[in-house]
Amino acid sequence: KAGVTQTPRYLIKTRGQQVTLSCSPISGHRSVSWYQQTPGQGLQFLFEYFSETQRNKGNFPGRFSGRQFSNSRSEMNVSTLELGDSALYLCASSGWSVNTEAFFGQGTRLTVV
Amino acid sequence: AQSVTQLDSQVPVFEEAPVELRCNYSSSVSVYLFWYVQYPNQGLQLLLKYLSGSTLVKSINGFEAEFNKSQTSFHLRKPSVHISDTAEYFCAVSDQKSGGSYIPTFGRGTSLIVHP
Repeated sequence: KAGVTQTPRYLIKTRGQQVTLSCSPISGHRSVSWYQQTPGQGLQFLFEYFSETQRNKGNFPGRFSGRQFSNSRSEMNVSTLELGDSALYLCASSGWSVNTEAFFGQGTRLTVV
Repeated sequence: AQSVTQLDSQVPVFEEAPVELRCNYSSSVSVYLFWYVQYPNQGLQLLLKYLSGSTLVKSINGFEAEFNKSQTSFHLRKPSVHISDTAEYFCAVSDQKSGGSYIPTFGRGTSLIVHP
């Protein structure tokens, strides 16, 4: 079956702009999580969506938001971009329980200039 | 909240030598432990996991990790590494969070560099 698909793969934005990233999970997976990966901070959890509801949230400012659609596809949005938002944004989808591993997409590399 | 410590940010090793990547986590009643691998410009792939049962778990490509509850550790080992093992390795710990989800907490990662 198809893996987790993230689009776009690469993105360059200017400070102050906003950006929307997309994630299509594995078919049948209802949980989608987002992570920010930077060399300095490692992998940091942004939020998790399950059945269109945000179920868990990490410690990020309100400029970072997300949503999930009825087909489990998820988007995350970052408004008023800052240089420090430059990172690899990873999406992971998983099934019902811890027995179903998290499958990661290849990520979206966001560069803010 | 869980925390995961990967003690080495970088581990250089020669091909065919053994390697150990260390991981310690903060204590919890019950945890689930994972090692993920990330190749350049790729997402993370699950290498192996411990959920319950035997404390020694193995991957299909020769890696193994042992869950040590008393030392709260889950070190990753391989007796003989290959050039192709060069990658970033992440240890992750998961316990049940609100709403029934199992969001893993990741360590900072260890860069394994295999030299010919």
